[in-house]
Amino acid sequence: KNEVEQSPQNLTAQEGEFITINCSYSVGISALHWLQQHPGGGIVSLFMLSSGKKKHGRLIATINIQEKHSSLHITASHPRDSAVYICAVRGLHAGGTSYGKLTFGQGTILTVHP
Amino acid sequence: DTAVSQTPKYLVTQMGNDKSIKCEQNLGHDTMYWYKQDSKKFLKIMFSYNNKELIINETVPNRFSPKSPDKAHLNLHINSLELGDSAVYFCASSQVRSEAFFGQGTRLTVV
Repeated sequence: KNEVEQSPQNLTAQEGEFITINCSYSVGISALHWLQQHPGGGIVSLFMLSSGKKKHGRLIATINIQEKHSSLHITASHPRDSAVYICAVRGLHAGGTSYGKLTFGQGTILTVHP
Repeated sequence: DTAVSQTPKYLVTQMGNDKSIKCEQNLGHDTMYWYKQDSKKFLKIMFSYNNKELIINETVPNRFSPKSPDKAHLNLHINSLELGDSAVYFCASSQVRSEAFFGQGTRLTVV
């Protein structure tokens, strides 16, 4: 079983819909990242969270450390949001320090139709 | 200004060849990484360097050798390429406990 699990693996929505992508993890972490990858494109960091909630435009990310769970929400979705969304956790190195190793979920392929 | 740049973007080569992928970051970060993305888009760490020192080496064949001449550069050299090495390789950099910045990826195809 992967240390980071995302759901759903595929998501299709109509323009304007509210979208939620979930991420659960099973290891101790120092932070959780949400990343976006457009087809054939590079990877862009959307959020880095260690607690609570962050908002950037139409994107909102939340994390519950006790439940080892995070969600990425997209409000008023648009076709340009179509991409792969990847959850990644930054682990804890021995001694409690973190050298930034990221462990990734398998990604969620989002398609937003006009 | 490109924060993390990789070259080349595409690399097609024959089995058995040796190839290198270069990565440079201009963000002043201390830590750089190489990740491999397989055909199912799953990303996995290969190596991590902190201030030119190797700190993570994840069960990667000896044919893969990272080299960090200074903390702004982390190159990946691959010997005796195999079909299974075909993938997209991403370089990234970060400060400890900060967000990661990724290069645009290098699509390696071994034929």
